[in-house]
Amino acid sequence: DGGITQSPKYLFRKEGQNVTLSCEQNLNHDAMYWYRQDPGQGLRLIYYSQIVNDFQKGDIAEGYSVSREKKESFPLTVTSAQKNPTAFYLCASSPRTALSNQPQHFGDGTRLSIL
Amino acid sequence: AQSVTQLDSQVPVFEEAPVELRCNYSSSVSVYLFWYVQYPNQGLQLLLKYLSGSTLVKGINGFEAEFNKSQTSFHLRKPSVHISDTAEYFCAVSDRDNYGQNFVFGPGTRLSVLP
Repeated sequence: DGGITQSPKYLFRKEGQNVTLSCEQNLNHDAMYWYRQDPGQGLRLIYYSQIVNDFQKGDIAEGYSVSREKKESFPLTVTSAQKNPTAFYLCASSPRTALSNQPQHFGDGTRLSIL
Repeated sequence: AQSVTQLDSQVPVFEEAPVELRCNYSSSVSVYLFWYVQYPNQGLQLLLKYLSGSTLVKGINGFEAEFNKSQTSFHLRKPSVHISDTAEYFCAVSDRDNYGQNFVFGPGTRLSVLP
């Protein structure tokens, strides 16, 4: 079955450490997204990529970095510059169509906590 | 820019009672509308979508939603809820501008079904 795989499910970070969250999809989708979710605050867009080797900042990109070297993969690095990284991180993907009428499909998330 | 409002942050309801979760969006020439459900510590799952055609859309788990263009609303309904419907529900809108697709989520409504 096609889908989006996020790993690990739980991740712990020490102060001053960079960590990378994995997101892989086998849906053949062009577009991929990273969201941050805090309790009671809904989803906030961190970065998105419409095509391989290209990505754009979302609303809260500071302290994060991404790469899109392959269509299937869109890893997110939470850098030491992100002072409040504790959150639930969601990766999503969607087909890229002229009508923009396709829903986003989501992985099961990674919960990041600070030690 | 497109925006989505979910007026109720929390909705408690007794089991087997009907429920309506409200969603309003800012006006646009052409929009596509979605409802997602999120269970604890999981990603978002698509409940239903409105792309065109009939304004009453049926989704999974017995949910349905009605698109009302004049009121720019897309309220989600279920005639009889179950304990298992306890979750967070997100309304989302997709449209397109000169820069590409915009996919905007509402802040979410937490549905609590009481025995």
